[in-house]
Amino acid sequence: SAVISQKPSRDICQRGTSLTIQCQVDSQVTMMFWYRQQPGQSLTLIATANQGSEATYESGFVIDKFPISRPNLTFSTLTVSNMSPEDSSIYLCSVRDSGALEEQYFGPGTRLTVT
Amino acid sequence: ILNVEQSPQSLHVQEGDSTNFTCSFPSSNFYALHWYRWETAKSPEALFVMTLNGDEKKKGRISATLNTKEGYSYLYIKGSQPEDSATYLCAFFSSGSARQLTFGSGTQLTVLP
Repeated sequence: SAVISQKPSRDICQRGTSLTIQCQVDSQVTMMFWYRQQPGQSLTLIATANQGSEATYESGFVIDKFPISRPNLTFSTLTVSNMSPEDSSIYLCSVRDSGALEEQYFGPGTRLTVT
Repeated sequence: ILNVEQSPQSLHVQEGDSTNFTCSFPSSNFYALHWYRWETAKSPEALFVMTLNGDEKKKGRISATLNTKEGYSYLYIKGSQPEDSATYLCAFFSSGSARQLTFGSGTQLTVLP
């Protein structure tokens, strides 16, 4: 299993500002993902963070709004840009094990409130 | 868009009661079904990864079954304790090269002492 930490754990931000969330993993992993959970909704995949290349975004998510960096195999950042109240969510970093079961592990999340 | 549904949405039980909840998912392109337990302010904790039709897995007082032909999985908790209070998520893992987890919206369990 992997141990994942995220910073910050929570934040309250003003509309129009940006927040960068950091994700640190205790081991090298190939596959790293960013999810969000809006209030009352399912966990939704934002993008796959690719090491050394641009992230792969899911339908409905764009790089200008959610730029992602992945400088190495243990670290990634997600920026939520030009925030609006609709961006209030829990943002989670996740990694996938390369074993047969492809288990997926999650960080504790960043709880973001945009006012 | 894959449809993964969980029921009930929330559940209150008394300490000592046994309970169960349901996850339904597409019966085609099945690769695996994941169950997670998520307590507030903590990381979602992986409970089970189920891959074979008819699978039954157990971890302490928690067990899960899988029916891939009809597209459902049950999670059972025997003798619920207050520390079992959490949101239980299932996630469908489809086959194919671009496999991603599709989550249900969860069942929020509260165990009353």
